Amino acid sequence: GAGVSQSPSNKVTEKGKDVELRCDPISGHTALYWYRQSLGQGLEFLIYFQGNSAPDKSGLPSDRFSAERTGGSVSTLTIQRTQQEDSAVYLCASSSRQGEDTEAFFGQGTRLTVV
Amino acid sequence: QKEVEQDPGPLSVPEGAIVSLNCTYSNSAFQYFMWYRQYSRKGPELLMYTYSSGNKEDGRFTAQVDKSSKYISLFIRDSQPSDSATYLCAIKGGGSYIPTFGRGTSLIVHP
Repeated sequence: GAGVSQSPSNKVTEKGKDVELRCDPISGHTALYWYRQSLGQGLEFLIYFQGNSAPDKSGLPSDRFSAERTGGSVSTLTIQRTQQEDSAVYLCASSSRQGEDTEAFFGQGTRLTVV
Repeated sequence: QKEVEQDPGPLSVPEGAIVSLNCTYSNSAFQYFMWYRQYSRKGPELLMYTYSSGNKEDGRFTAQVDKSSKYISLFIRDSQPSDSATYLCAIKGGGSYIPTFGRGTSLIVHP
């Protein structure tokens, strides 16, 4: 595809359930980021993948959150035992390579609502 | 203190006005400065990307960086209702490849 694709676009789940959010980065992009955006808040960094290197997980808020990236392409963010405070828009971005001077392209996001 | 501070607004201006959006940051190691625009229920899109101090112009948009004051600005000339969106500043550098974002400023341009 031409851009970063995220699915589903909207997800409503019950408190305590697990959810999986998917990100398809731009083809050939080696760097992938997950961010969370709560209402009226900026983008909160969650996790960063670069090629085959170990991911930077320093932004994950708790051990209920995990992410993986298979084959250096598609990434899945998993939230276990969801809580109401997990309600937010989860944004994925990719960059063509690792570097301070690269730009990140964002997907449309997955709007997660925990009821 | 957050690494990047940005007034959330909202900022409401009449069509045709010059808009000034600003961010301050705390880490002097930051070297790359970006402005993203985010329409409601959409992902952020990159507007401007600058390196180090100085000005960069692209059409009606001018990005300005003052590293001595740790202050960055985005100016929009002849603002249009279609400019109504949230504008996020993002900064990276100092060995980190992960952009740090401000909270975003909500801009409303009314006809």
